[in-house]
Amino acid sequence: AQSVTQPDIHITVSEGASLELRCNYSYGATPYLFWYVQSPGQGLQLLLKYFSGDTLVQGIKGFEAEFKRSQSSFNLRKPSVHWSDAAEYFCAVGASLSGGFKTIFGAGTRLFVKA
Amino acid sequence: EAEVAQSPRYKITEKSQAVAFWCDPISGHATLYWYRQILGQGPELLVQFQDESVVDDSQLPKDRFSAERLKGVDSTLKIQPAELGDSAMYLCASSPRTGTYNEQYFGPGTRLTVT
Repeated sequence: AQSVTQPDIHITVSEGASLELRCNYSYGATPYLFWYVQSPGQGLQLLLKYFSGDTLVQGIKGFEAEFKRSQSSFNLRKPSVHWSDAAEYFCAVGASLSGGFKTIFGAGTRLFVKA
Repeated sequence: EAEVAQSPRYKITEKSQAVAFWCDPISGHATLYWYRQILGQGPELLVQFQDESVVDDSQLPKDRFSAERLKGVDSTLKIQPAELGDSAMYLCASSPRTGTYNEQYFGPGTRLTVT
């Protein structure tokens, strides 16, 4: 069955430090992969997506992610974190199922940024 | 920039009462999704519409939940009767109609508290 695992429930980094959020997926075919960010009380905003091609994808707000098929991973990175990056981050996989496409979300990783 | 609209933003109701949420997708988006997000978890798909037709409602608790999109534009999600376990964020999302997977655009959500 399709699934997404985000191993870290929460992460704390210092402002200006680098960030890596982990994501592993389970899907039999080539996946569509996404990272979304959610600020408190708000909806989800797409940071970046991978459909095919270059395995290193660039997103908004200085984020990037790398698709590694051999590890079934799609980790999110940012070289220098800003206080405004504190939020919940969700990794998701788009799966082709009977009736169409379905998005399966991980449980999320909450990012705390300390001064 | 076009956005997905949802109302109300917050709703407090007593258990056994009826409650309804409204969603207006981005103009021209044929696919509409309702998700439930329990605190500390990722969004879970409740129902997916393609135009006015339901294409996936496998996770919708049909004994108490109903959803409609009569004219293929805006949509209403209803809970009757509400239970304490229904307290969650209810997110609406939309995406364009194409033959392949599309990213979803999320609304701000409705925070439901059942007392």
